Amino acid sequence: DVKVTQSSRYLVKRTGEKVFLECVQDMDHENMFWYRQDPGLGLRLIYFSYDVKMKEKGDIPEGYSVSREKKERFSLILESASTNQTSMYLCASSPLRVSANTEAFFGQGTRLTVV
Amino acid sequence: AQKITQTQPGMFVQEKEAVTLDCTYDTSDPSYGLFWYKQPSSGEMIFLIYQGSYDQQNATEGRYSLNFQKARKSANLVISASQLGDSAMYFCAMRPFNNTNAGKSTFGDGTTLTVKP
Repeated sequence: DVKVTQSSRYLVKRTGEKVFLECVQDMDHENMFWYRQDPGLGLRLIYFSYDVKMKEKGDIPEGYSVSREKKERFSLILESASTNQTSMYLCASSPLRVSANTEAFFGQGTRLTVV
Repeated sequence: AQKITQTQPGMFVQEKEAVTLDCTYDTSDPSYGLFWYKQPSSGEMIFLIYQGSYDQQNATEGRYSLNFQKARKSANLVISASQLGDSAMYFCAMRPFNNTNAGKSTFGDGTTLTVKP
């Protein structure tokens, strides 16, 4: 059974803290993604990576960075957490070579609260 | 640029009845794929069904079917014989065929479906 695992379901952090959200996939996928989900705004892409040490900005990269040192692991970093980063964060992965109907595989989400 | 519009923030349906969740899209790409995902309260996004823009027939997967009207740019999800376990948020998403990043899709805002016993 394919799996994308996010290290935490719930996190509470203080303003100004450095926060790491971890995501691991066991499907040997090249592509990995971080999305942010907010009510009324749907899913918005923060960053994605198509290979180890490679990354590209998504639609809302400000305030975030990412790290991909190993193929199976993709980390989202909030350098200095702010209250407007309180949100649900979803990690996803997909193979590099896709057919038109290839779907993405998602983790269970991390609900981050910044106080 | 692509845009997905889901006009129903919330929907209610009686158990065992059918329900249609609306999705309209806007794109200048000539070929694309449309996806529906289910997100239960547990948080995980679950892939439900896919429709290609050149597919002649509407997609079906068990109790899920997709009412695809290309000229109207709509891809509504139909759930037949609703079950209590169908209560969840549903997202419509689109990806152009020339985009090889399967996760780099455009998502709608979602529709929360509640199935009443």
